[in-house]
Amino acid sequence: DTAVSQTPKYLVTQMGNDKSIKCEQNLGHDTMYWYKQDSKKFLKIMFSYNNKELIINETVPNRFSPKSPDKAHLNLHINSLELGDSAVYFCASSQVVWAVTQYFGPGTRLLVL
Amino acid sequence: LAKTTQPISMDSYEGQEVNITCSHNNIATNDYITWYQQFPSQGPRFIIQGYKTKVTNEVASLFIPADRKSSTLSLPRVSLSDTAVYYCLVGDRGAAGNKLTFGGGTRVLVKP
Repeated sequence: DTAVSQTPKYLVTQMGNDKSIKCEQNLGHDTMYWYKQDSKKFLKIMFSYNNKELIINETVPNRFSPKSPDKAHLNLHINSLELGDSAVYFCASSQVVWAVTQYFGPGTRLLVL
Repeated sequence: LAKTTQPISMDSYEGQEVNITCSHNNIATNDYITWYQQFPSQGPRFIIQGYKTKVTNEVASLFIPADRKSSTLSLPRVSLSDTAVYYCLVGDRGAAGNKLTFGGGTRVLVKP
């Protein structure tokens, strides 16, 4: 049983395209997150949703739009992809808001050409 | 969150004990110390959390001195599969605005 799953695992696309990454958690957690990890392994939070409501929206271009159809799912849609968007994107969840104990998905490796 | 400082990398050999120290001089009263482990091509995984003194689980031990301004993650008898990046985080378990930011972590390389 995968606790936090993401699809796709790899995503290679051209500049200017629009793509989506899906995330699902079966832990019954209320809060879900999207993180971006750069090539130096720094992992920064992008968004957080609690019970389908946005609670964190860091300084992220508005080309990135999260969507939470229910508290078990948090998808990330990216418009007009740029070279700098190439990174690994991790979804995570936690039992309560702001918890320091979070459960991460396997990551989606995005390469923009 | 309190700022943390940890070594960039450490090398070790199979069977040795690895100790990674994290400095967090401005830790607040309500802050907990949490360590994550990230294997190549995987997401970070929670391994241990503590508030003071010593915490031990099946994976690691966490030593926290009385002033709590640092903490040491101890990995006993490491194997090749313990090669990973280890992140130290400090924060209140339920505080509003607790935005987790992972630094560069400590890259541990276990050699045969």
